[in-house]
Amino acid sequence: SQTIHQWPATLVQPVGSPLSLECTVEGTSNPNLYWYRQAAGRGLQLLFYSVGIGQISSEVPQNLSASRPQDRQFILSSKKLLLSDSGFYLCAWSPTMGAEAFFGQGTRLTVV
Amino acid sequence: GQQVMQIPQYQHVQEGEDFTTYCNSSTTLSNIQWYKQRPGGHPVFLIQLVKSGEVKKQKRLTFQFGEAKKNSSLHITATQTTDVGTYFCAGPLYSGYALNFGKGTSLLVTP
Repeated sequence: SQTIHQWPATLVQPVGSPLSLECTVEGTSNPNLYWYRQAAGRGLQLLFYSVGIGQISSEVPQNLSASRPQDRQFILSSKKLLLSDSGFYLCAWSPTMGAEAFFGQGTRLTVV
Repeated sequence: GQQVMQIPQYQHVQEGEDFTTYCNSSTTLSNIQWYKQRPGGHPVFLIQLVKSGEVKKQKRLTFQFGEAKKNSSLHITATQTTDVGTYFCAGPLYSGYALNFGKGTSLLVTP
């Protein structure tokens, strides 16, 4: 069966520090991968999606970036965090674009 | 651009009462999906509707997809405390695109 791993679960980072969140999927090949952000009490905002290795589409211009160095690995990065980057970051995968999505446990990021 | 709107934003009910959340899209959707997020957790897929006018049931949950494929609803009969959480609808922005989520309806059930 397919599983998705996301880490760390929680993270407190100072303003201006770098960020690297990692997500890996097991049990499937060539998944579509997504990064969503959820602000406190709000909906899910699509940040990036990827249909294949090295292919990244950005939805929201910001100081975040994403990379997909391997088929089942998706990384969210920032060179310098802002206070507004705080939130709940969720990685997800789906077998095809627009199909049901399976989410990781999420990372709660607090920028201080 | 296409948006998925959800109402109400919050709903507080007594255990045993019914609950309904509504989802509306500005454009026709190829499919609509529903997710549940428990407090402190991550969204979990509940169901997908594809056909115009489709109705699906999961125990006390009834999901409907409108005839024009622009709206959907989730109805819970006789709520229980285990139903607490935020319910999201989601649909692809356009065919073959990533899911666009509504802002969700947070349900609180008091015993």
